[in-house]
Amino acid sequence: AQTVTQSQPEMSVQEAETVTLSCTYDTSENNYYLFWYKQPPSRQMILVIRQEAYKQQNATENRFSVNFQKAAKSFSLKISDSQLGDTAMYFCAFANYGGATNKLIFGTGTLLAVQP
Amino acid sequence: DVKVTQSSRYLVKRTGEKVFLECVQDMDHENMFWYRQDPGLGLRLIYFSYDVKMKEKGDIPEGYSVSREKKERFSLILESASTNQTSMYLCASSFLGLAGSNEQFFGPGTRLTVL
Repeated sequence: AQTVTQSQPEMSVQEAETVTLSCTYDTSENNYYLFWYKQPPSRQMILVIRQEAYKQQNATENRFSVNFQKAAKSFSLKISDSQLGDTAMYFCAFANYGGATNKLIFGTGTLLAVQP
Repeated sequence: DVKVTQSSRYLVKRTGEKVFLECVQDMDHENMFWYRQDPGLGLRLIYFSYDVKMKEKGDIPEGYSVSREKKERFSLILESASTNQTSMYLCASSFLGLAGSNEQFFGPGTRLTVL
């Protein structure tokens, strides 16, 4: 069975600094998808970034980028120029390729606090 | 914009009560999901549905049931609420994707307290 591990329950970063959130996963599949979701305080969960395992290039969305190391089964999220609005719980998630119902397996989350 | 709504943001019920949590999405998504979110445990899948009247168990279905009579609506039912079902419940929906790439859209959550 696939598992997703986030080893940092809480992190803190100063505004305008860069922070990296860690995620490792375990799977025997070769093709799959990885996601980072953001859950701001009292607000809905939204997708931050998505990576297809068959793509070697790391995904980037504005200030958010990932470091995808397939052999190491590592998928970290880098947030550059942190803003107060980045304060949130961040979840790493995994989905099998080819699954019609795209079930997600989530990690336990990292609570990120951006300090002014 | 995709909108997923849940019937209540906060709910307080007593042990043994039957509880209904409702979720509605407006994007014609085939898939709908119910998760519970607990500190230190992340999100765990309770049930999901890929079509009207179709349902499949997730990782923690015990004590729960679901109903999907219409495509846009997915209900979670706690037949006899217990204190260990106190949690945040999140609903999500997505298109039926063959490659697992389709984004799940989440509702705002229902914080249920069972006394």
